[in-house]
Amino acid sequence: ETGVTQSPTHLIKTRGQQVTLRCSSQSGHNTVSWYQQALGQGPQFIFQYYREEENGRGNFPPRFSGLQFPNYSSELNVNALELDDSALYLCASSARGVRETQYFGPGTRLLVL
Amino acid sequence: SQKIEQNSEALNIQEGKTATLTCNYTNYSPAYLQWYRQDPGRGPVFLLLIRENEKEKRKERLKVTFDTTLKQSLFHITASQPADSATYLCALGGTDSSYKLIFGSGTRLLVRP
Repeated sequence: ETGVTQSPTHLIKTRGQQVTLRCSSQSGHNTVSWYQQALGQGPQFIFQYYREEENGRGNFPPRFSGLQFPNYSSELNVNALELDDSALYLCASSARGVRETQYFGPGTRLLVL
Repeated sequence: SQKIEQNSEALNIQEGKTATLTCNYTNYSPAYLQWYRQDPGRGPVFLLLIRENEKEKRKERLKVTFDTTLKQSLFHITASQPADSATYLCALGGTDSSYKLIFGSGTRLLVRP
């Protein structure tokens, strides 16, 4: 186990709704990245938070937003859910000075109906 | 655009044999490359990191090679065991400040007893 936790484990929403996913990073880690993994695909980078500020973003629309808190935990918010947002959402944390290596949580499985 | 190719067909081998997985990439010059293991419904688990100036890295039964001329990495598991059965993901990292990872779609490895 990596020490990265995510909640909830599973979630079902309907199109147009909003969702908030949560992540607690591994102790001592100050960087959190979020990835989306569709079935049968590799994870795709959404964005990263470092010292409570967004530090890099992938090709995702603005309805994907996030926060990082002073204790380095993080939230991913998705507004106006679409069917294609159904995926496994992964949070990964990394340590100051060793940011190449990312430790993933178990993910949140989101189903949009 | 950047493209990472991993064999989409499952690799099926006999216990005790060496498994070799391939990762090819185009339109990218990564500073480092990582291999992750992912079990069904779980987050990826970091295995090995190799940098652009390194040719080979070993860890226990695992070996990774990195050829920046061929734009290819090979991942070997020697003396494979049924417990090694999983999907293996290749991920490339660059020099941008976010240390974001670009993942391949993964190759599923099945080790028969």
